[in-house]
Amino acid sequence: NAGVTQTPKFQVLKTGQSMTLQCAQDMNHNSMYWYRQDPGMGLRLIYYSASEGTTDKGEVPNGYNVSRLNKREFSLRLESAAPSQTSVYFCASLQGAPTDTQYFGPGTRLTVL
Amino acid sequence: AQSVSQHNHHVILSEAASLELGCNYSYGGTVNLFWYVQYPGQHLQLLLKYFSGDPLVKGIKGFEAEFIKSKFSFNLRKPSVQWSDTAEYFCAVIETGGFKTIFGAGTRLFVKA
Repeated sequence: NAGVTQTPKFQVLKTGQSMTLQCAQDMNHNSMYWYRQDPGMGLRLIYYSASEGTTDKGEVPNGYNVSRLNKREFSLRLESAAPSQTSVYFCASLQGAPTDTQYFGPGTRLTVL
Repeated sequence: AQSVSQHNHHVILSEAASLELGCNYSYGGTVNLFWYVQYPGQHLQLLLKYFSGDPLVKGIKGFEAEFIKSKFSFNLRKPSVQWSDTAEYFCAVIETGGFKTIFGAGTRLFVKA
């Protein structure tokens, strides 16, 4: 099992460019999450998908969109990147109940110039 | 809105010292509580969790945490730290029955050999 995989690992964008961060899990988990990690602010939830076919906003959804493509894949799109979106982005998955453990991917380090 | 406060952003200890990291949350309902750890260069992983029963929970690597409902706290403890405990520690909360996860800002622990 690869667990949770994310692509790309690193990305540099110019202000106004768009891109999609990809996340996939092979654990047959129902729920998936996107977080951003910034120094001194911990992990902040951007969007989550409690189950296939559903998505909900987290704490900081502005400037992002998500797609739960199927049970395995959950992508995060930046339509018009801004320097404030420079961050490390983590994807996570959770099997079923909220009491289950979240499994995290390795992260994508994004820099917006 | 839910929030999670971790009181110490940076902690430096010598090996064999005792550790206590504070975590307080604000939420009126019942919650599930987690501590995750991120070792240098590694994915976030679960240390321990509480969702019901004995408020003193034990996790991996000798860590434990106590849920005190009246204080809205879930402090992490370890009687004797090791150099290998150097990492960033995150407290997280999910409201019971929900999937939205709120993380604290994290505490960076450095253990001197």
